[in-house]
Parts: sequence; structure tokens; C-alpha cells
Amino acid sequence: DGGITQSPKYLFRKEGQNVTLSCEQNLNHDAMYWYRQDPGQGLRLIYYSQIVNDFQKGDIAEGYSVSREKKESFPLTVTSAQKNPTAFYLCASSSTGTSGEQYFGPGTRLTVT
Amino acid sequence: AQTVTQSQPEMSVQEAETVTLSCTYDTSESDYYLFWYKQPPSRQMILVIRQEAYKQQNATENRFSVNFQKAAKSFSLKISDSQLGDAAMYFCAYRSLSGTYKYIFGTGTRLKVLA
Repeated sequence: DGGITQSPKYLFRKEGQNVTLSCEQNLNHDAMYWYRQDPGQGLRLIYYSQIVNDFQKGDIAEGYSVSREKKESFPLTVTSAQKNPTAFYLCASSSTGTSGEQYFGPGTRLTVT
Repeated sequence: AQTVTQSQPEMSVQEAETVTLSCTYDTSESDYYLFWYKQPPSRQMILVIRQEAYKQQNATENRFSVNFQKAAKSFSLKISDSQLGDAAMYFCAYRSLSGTYKYIFGTGTRLKVLA
């Protein structure tokens, strides 16, 4: 089955530690995205990538980093510089063709204490 | 820059009744996509319906339909014969057909379905 996987579903870290969230897709999509969702709020774009080895900052990129070495993978690192990292993180992908819609992974809930 | 506005933070509907969720957007472009996504308590985002701006006909998917008013930049979602499983957050989203492949999301509407 084609889809997007994110692991783990729940992640706990101590303050000051970097943590990497995994996102893998087998939909053969060129574009991939990371969003952050806080309680009662919509989706805020962290980073996106339209092609391998290229990515752009979204609206809230500070304290985060990404890489896109393979088409299928777009890991997100939450660094210690992110002041409020506890949130729900969603990964998505889309075709750069005409179908238009984004497909989402199940999300990772990160808790930093 | 494009913006998407959902002015109803929360809506309620009686089971089997019809409800309409509102969405307005701002853009200077003529070609774009509009979407409605559903996020149930599981938090998995699910595409409900999609509308291409160049199509005048309103999209429908079973009990879900949209009222797309391009000149007014309005894109409302109508849910007919509401079911308990329709209870969720609903997000309106915009994607340009030129330039980047960024999606712009509204802040969402929480829909409660009353038995």
C-alpha cells in the first residue's frame, strides 16, 4: 500500500537534546512538507522540499533543520534552539503534477521536558 | 501573499441534518486548488474534497459538496445527512498552481455532531 509513515508515534526528550523525526513516503511524490500543530491551532509550515537536495524554509523554521537526500525521505531535526518544541508534527507529500492534494502521515507527538 | 480564513471556530449539527462550514481566501492568482481536509480525533488528516479554480462546477463527494464562488473568493463545505463519524476538525486549504507548491491552511472549524 502506498502511503506516508512517520515514526515514532510518541517521542519524549529532555530539554537541550536534539531529536530527529522520521518521514518516509512510497508515493513517488517529489514534494514533501513538515507542519507543526499546536492545540486549537491550524497547521504551520516548518520546511518543504520540492526536489531532492533542495528545501525551503516555511513560516516557522527557526530551531528546526531538514535534509532531503532521497526522494522517499524527509527527516526533521528539532534542535535545542527551538524554544517550545512540544507539539504534534505532521509530515506530508504531494505530486508536483496536476493532482494537487497533499497526503499526510499519521503524525508524531513530541514532548520535551 | 495568499491567506485562508475560517471564521467559525466551532459548529454543531444534529445527526441527519445539514451543516455548512465557511472558508474565504485571498489571492491575486487565477489558477489554484482549494481543498477541505478532515482531522478526526485520531489526528490523521483526510482529504474530503478538492476544487480546481478553473472549473465552474462545484465539486461533490457523496454527502459532501462545496459552494465555490470564485469572484467572492468563498469556498464553503456542505455536509448533508450528518453522521456521528463526521465529528472532526475541518481545514480549508489553498494551493497555487504557479511558483511554489506551498499549501496555505485555515485555522480550522471544529464540528460537533449531536445524537
